[in-house]
Amino acid sequence: EAGVTQFPSHSVIEKGQTVTLRCDPISGHDNLYWYRRVMGKEIKFLLHFVKESKQDESGMPNNRFLAERTGGTYSTLKVQPAELEDSGVYFCASSQGLGTGELFFGEGSRLTVL
Amino acid sequence: AQSVTQLGSHVSVSEGALVLLRCNYSSSVPPYLFWYVQYPNQGLQLLLKYTTGATLVKGINGFEAEFKKSETSFHLTKPSAHMSDAAEYFCAVSDPFSTGGFKTIFGAGTRLFVKA
Repeated sequence: EAGVTQFPSHSVIEKGQTVTLRCDPISGHDNLYWYRRVMGKEIKFLLHFVKESKQDESGMPNNRFLAERTGGTYSTLKVQPAELEDSGVYFCASSQGLGTGELFFGEGSRLTVL
Repeated sequence: AQSVTQLGSHVSVSEGALVLLRCNYSSSVPPYLFWYVQYPNQGLQLLLKYTTGATLVKGINGFEAEFKKSETSFHLTKPSAHMSDAAEYFCAVSDPFSTGGFKTIFGAGTRLFVKA
């Protein structure tokens, strides 16, 4: 069974540009989460999808961030325009049902904004 | 609001020595607690979890953790460190009574170094 996959693994862009990160969750997992880790700090929750619906987007930093999950399968996280403080590692995770809360993580997308 | 504090961003032990990684949490409801591990160039993977029942939980690779409600702690231990345990470890908490799924809150992580 394929795990959670994220693309790209690393992206370097200049301030003001746009970047789109993609996450493919484990097949059949209705819950999809985005997290971000800024260097050395805690992994911060950004938002949670249940199928195609945003269940909780309380962690999204501002309106420069837009997450979508069309058809309840893969998800994209777009940052437009990117700022220096957006640099970090963006993790995607998925889980099945409400279960026991175990999250299955992708390897992360490292974003560097110059 | 829930929160997690991991004491020590870096811990160094000798191979064969006891591993102790500390985690304290804050939660207004009985929480679910987790330890995740991240090896270099990999995603986080679950080591162990506490939901209900026995407070001493065993995980993969010989790790275990004990839920102590009175101390609001969930420290991770392993009796004898192995070189392959070198990784970053994250403690996490979630609210099992939340509606619409689990929002997991993570600590800042503790990087474990194992010396030969």
